[in-house]
Amino acid sequence: NAGVTQTPKFQVLKTGQSMTLQCAQDMNHNSMYWYRQDPGMGLRLIYYSASEGTTDKGEVPNGYNVSRLNKREFSLRLESAAPSQTSVYFCASIFRAGGYEQYFGPGTRLTVT
Amino acid sequence: QQQVKQSPQSLIVQKGGISIINCAYENTAFDYFPWYQQFPGKGPALLIAIRPDVSEKKEGRFTISFNKSAKQFSLHIMDSQPGDSATYFCAASIARWSNYQLIWGAGTKLIIKP
Repeated sequence: NAGVTQTPKFQVLKTGQSMTLQCAQDMNHNSMYWYRQDPGMGLRLIYYSASEGTTDKGEVPNGYNVSRLNKREFSLRLESAAPSQTSVYFCASIFRAGGYEQYFGPGTRLTVT
Repeated sequence: QQQVKQSPQSLIVQKGGISIINCAYENTAFDYFPWYQQFPGKGPALLIAIRPDVSEKKEGRFTISFNKSAKQFSLHIMDSQPGDSATYFCAASIARWSNYQLIWGAGTKLIIKP
């Protein structure tokens, strides 16, 4: 049982390049989330998927797109990376019927130059 | 009104001392208040959580104190140990939110000095 996995762990992009961050969970969780974490700003929600087939914007969605490929996988895409998107990105999931605990992946550290 | 304000931003405590981190909120509809612990290079993990029908919850050396009238809640770490050095986040949510969204504080970096 791997929990929540994220790939890659580290990535450096040039301004304007695109990439997709991958997230998968093997806990049969319903809802999945993408956050970014910046120093002194806590965790800010980018997008979430309440259930398979649905996605919604969070607090800071601009510059990002998401896909809930199936119940296990939720990907985050940067179409044209900007230096302001330099951050640590976390994916999380929750088993809705089980309560509120969000399980986090290990994060992806992204640098945009 | 959706904000959760956390203080202090950083905290240094001697080994064996009590670490106290505070959070305040405005939205009285919040009814779930968790604390998450994050070690460097890792994702946050749930430490302890409380609902507003109780004023205190204790799990081992970790205690949440909740003051509904003041709209404040705090994390107390008794007998703090170097292994407790981490970043701590408070958060809040509303049970009827179908997306189970959490509103996060900005985090407190705790350092326990040996």
